[in-house]
Amino acid sequence: ILNVEQSPQSLHVQEGDSTNFTCSFPSSNFYALHWYRWETAKSPEALFVMTLNGDEKKKGRISATLNTKEGYSYLYIKGSQPEDSATYLCACTGNNRLAFGKGNQVVVIP
Amino acid sequence: NAGVTQTPKFQVLKTGQSMTLQCAQDMNHEYMSWYRQDPGMGLRLIHYSVGAGITDQGEVPNGYNVSRSTTEDFPLRLLSAAPSQTSVYFCASSYGTRLETQYFGPGTRLLVL
Repeated sequence: ILNVEQSPQSLHVQEGDSTNFTCSFPSSNFYALHWYRWETAKSPEALFVMTLNGDEKKKGRISATLNTKEGYSYLYIKGSQPEDSATYLCACTGNNRLAFGKGNQVVVIP
Repeated sequence: NAGVTQTPKFQVLKTGQSMTLQCAQDMNHEYMSWYRQDPGMGLRLIHYSVGAGITDQGEVPNGYNVSRSTTEDFPLRLLSAAPSQTSVYFCASSYGTRLETQYFGPGTRLLVL
């Protein structure tokens, strides 16, 4: 079983502020790291997939980095907006499986 | 493309009843999986399949059966429902598992009384 941990579990952010959170995963037998955005009452939707150490991906105001040697990934939200409120799921792939973290629940306060 | 579809959207069962949650995808994906979502637990893998005729257990398989007779369909069967199986169930698919994006269905909310 892959142990994927995300922190903090939840956070409140003032509109316009930037924020970031962490996903930790086993660095051995690593294959890929996925970030998903999950809005309430909807299905998770893919944001990024990263495989190489040092990878950086960006989609609008959201970006992510990957460190496979130490086993972590950061997700950044720049200038948070109310529509960014969601749970951000991190998932690690290895041994033909995809293991999810428990998510970072973000609430943007107008 | 309809993507990944799940039926029913909501179901209430009595303890001991059996039922099948349906999942279908029209993207010709080889990999399909079932997850359950519980408060504070995130998504936990129940069963998965890497292709027609091949299934394997995930993290929490007890009380559930699956089969994969076609590429398109991956039903999840509850043999004898228990209150502990009250959850939201998500089906997902992808071309492969290691690198590809997972496409999720809309979920089935199950309540076992």
